[in-house]
Amino acid sequence: DAKTTQPPSMDCAEGRAANLPCNHSTISGNEYVYWYRQIHSQGPQYIIHGLKNNETNEMASLIITEDRKSSTLILPHATLRDTAVYYCIVNTGGFKTIFGAGTRLFVKA
Amino acid sequence: GAVVSQHPSWVICKSGTSVKIECRSLDFQATTMFWYRQFPKQSLMLMATSNEGSKATYEQGVEKDKFLINHASLTLSTLTVTSAHPEDSSFYICSARDTRDTYNEQFFGPGTRLTVL
Repeated sequence: DAKTTQPPSMDCAEGRAANLPCNHSTISGNEYVYWYRQIHSQGPQYIIHGLKNNETNEMASLIITEDRKSSTLILPHATLRDTAVYYCIVNTGGFKTIFGAGTRLFVKA
Repeated sequence: GAVVSQHPSWVICKSGTSVKIECRSLDFQATTMFWYRQFPKQSLMLMATSNEGSKATYEQGVEKDKFLINHASLTLSTLTVTSAHPEDSSFYICSARDTRDTYNEQFFGPGTRLTVL
């Protein structure tokens, strides 16, 4: 599976959009981009995933660059409850998920 | 979304005893489940892949005789930490994929916090 690179931490003001970047320059054609988050002392929670096209659901939007070498997770209106570690993962789906260090997002009032 | 449960949510045991952790997919069938371990302030580390009806596949460095995995049905996988020691104290998390949706998300359990005295 391709490796991902994320900033270790980010801050965001409550009510503003949180934009979390992820680099996956070695992604292969059949690998998906998945985003999960983990709130302290809980199991990870699925957010969104995509292959080529941008995706949006009730939680977030996923913007994937045309060359697929990077992506951005967008939380449109961050709340204090969005404070968590966000993991960007690429794999072919159906196989084991390897977690990197993730980005620790702090949403501040 | 689909729900994965774990039992117990926390356990404290004495050194040398064995502890069993259950992982259940409540409203879907999971041919494959995964077990992770997480130490404080660290990311999740994959321990093994649990396959229904067959032997688990362990990641490099994980002792299969110490961490026994059984996946006897499409909705239940168990992890037994044998002869637990204080260094086995950790947060253990399982996950499962719906057998019908290969490319969709993985569903994670709430985790089990193991403390070995």
